[in-house]
Amino acid sequence: NAGVTQTPKFRILKIGQSMTLQCAQDMNHNYMYWYRQDPGMGLKLIYYSVGAGITDKGEVPNGYNVSRSTTEDFPLRLELAAPSQTSVYFCASNKGPTGAYEQYFGPGTRLTVT
Amino acid sequence: KNEVEQSPQNLTAQEGEFITINCSYSVGISALHWLQQHPGGGIVSLFMLSSGKKKHGRLIATINIQEKHSSLHITASHPRDSAVYICAVTSGGGADGLTFGKGTHLIIQP
Repeated sequence: NAGVTQTPKFRILKIGQSMTLQCAQDMNHNYMYWYRQDPGMGLKLIYYSVGAGITDKGEVPNGYNVSRSTTEDFPLRLELAAPSQTSVYFCASNKGPTGAYEQYFGPGTRLTVT
Repeated sequence: KNEVEQSPQNLTAQEGEFITINCSYSVGISALHWLQQHPGGGIVSLFMLSSGKKKHGRLIATINIQEKHSSLHITASHPRDSAVYICAVTSGGGADGLTFGKGTHLIIQP
């Protein structure tokens, strides 16, 4: 199993541009998550999904959108990128809720908005 | 909203020392996770626990639900244990996902 994969690994965006961060898992996990990690801060939850067609906001959803059309894929869309979105983004998945199952993390995408 | 505090923020120790990292949280949880993040960024789950104690090799994690506190211990520390150790708890309030501490940066010197 490849586990959780993310593309791209690095990206530089200009202010106002848009992009999609890709995330895929091959473990047949229903639960998937997007987090961002800023220097000196804990990771923060952006969006999560409990199954195909179902998504919900986390702590910091503004400026982002997600979709979940298949069990495997959970892309994160940035519209009108802003410098405040400069961060490292991690995708994660679980077999079930985080109260009962460990999380598997992707390698991260380092995004810089200038 | 749960607040997760870790201590210490930074820890430098000599190889072979016994290491303890602490985590406290403010609201009752269903589970607490300990994670490891190496330089280069990858995050790996070490433990998930909701009561008592778990052991994996030289790592031991304990949790006291009444006191809202958990500890991660490393016995016979080694330079390869150098990493950031992150405590995270289930977010609760009807939402899934984790709420994270800021991490403890551990350096083990040979």
